[in-house]
Amino acid sequence: GDSVTQMEGPVTLSEEAFLTINCTYTATGYPSLFWYVQYPGEGLQLLLKATKADDKGSNKGFEATYRKETTSFHLEKGSVQVSDSAVYFCALKDRGSTLGRLYFGRGTQLTVWP
Amino acid sequence: EPEVTQTPSHQVTQMGQEVILRCVPISNHLYFYWYRQILGQKVEFLVSFYNNEISEKSEIFDDQFSVERPDGSNFTLKIRSTKLEDSAMYFCASSEWDSSTGELFFGEGSRLTVL
Repeated sequence: GDSVTQMEGPVTLSEEAFLTINCTYTATGYPSLFWYVQYPGEGLQLLLKATKADDKGSNKGFEATYRKETTSFHLEKGSVQVSDSAVYFCALKDRGSTLGRLYFGRGTQLTVWP
Repeated sequence: EPEVTQTPSHQVTQMGQEVILRCVPISNHLYFYWYRQILGQKVEFLVSFYNNEISEKSEIFDDQFSVERPDGSNFTLKIRSTKLEDSAMYFCASSEWDSSTGELFFGEGSRLTVL
């Protein structure tokens, strides 16, 4: 079945450091892939997405490329800020699945120190 | 900016008690969902709801669970007789239409602790 495995946290970085959070997936079809972020005290919100192989999603300096050959969708940012401290969730939606059924990973807690 | 709101933020209950978690989705959204996350585990889909009926439910969503949209604004999740393993963070979400794009709008969650 469909599933997402993402890097265990927590991840602690200094401001301006490079960030990678790994995400790999298993899917029976051709999924769309997403990163959601949850800032403290808020709900999960869509950060970026990619709907087909080799697509790159980007937003707020974050990027992730849909790699079909490695079934991966790693999240990267070149220079993190304190305000990026949050929990990051990788997710997929199989094209054949109905409505809003997303498959999530466990989430990775990121803490950025000044 | 419109947002999904959930109440309560934290509820502690005794095993066997009924619990109702409440959600107010974004007002023009038509599709509603519940997800949950047991501590340290993945966020899991429970149920989707459209046009006043369940569209899809997961294997987790057994007869102990029910959902309802009792009026034009609230969307509730009821657990009839809570078990210890129901302890989790429950997230409500909504979307404007069939979220083939994957964009759901989530509330900040209701933490349920069953003792």
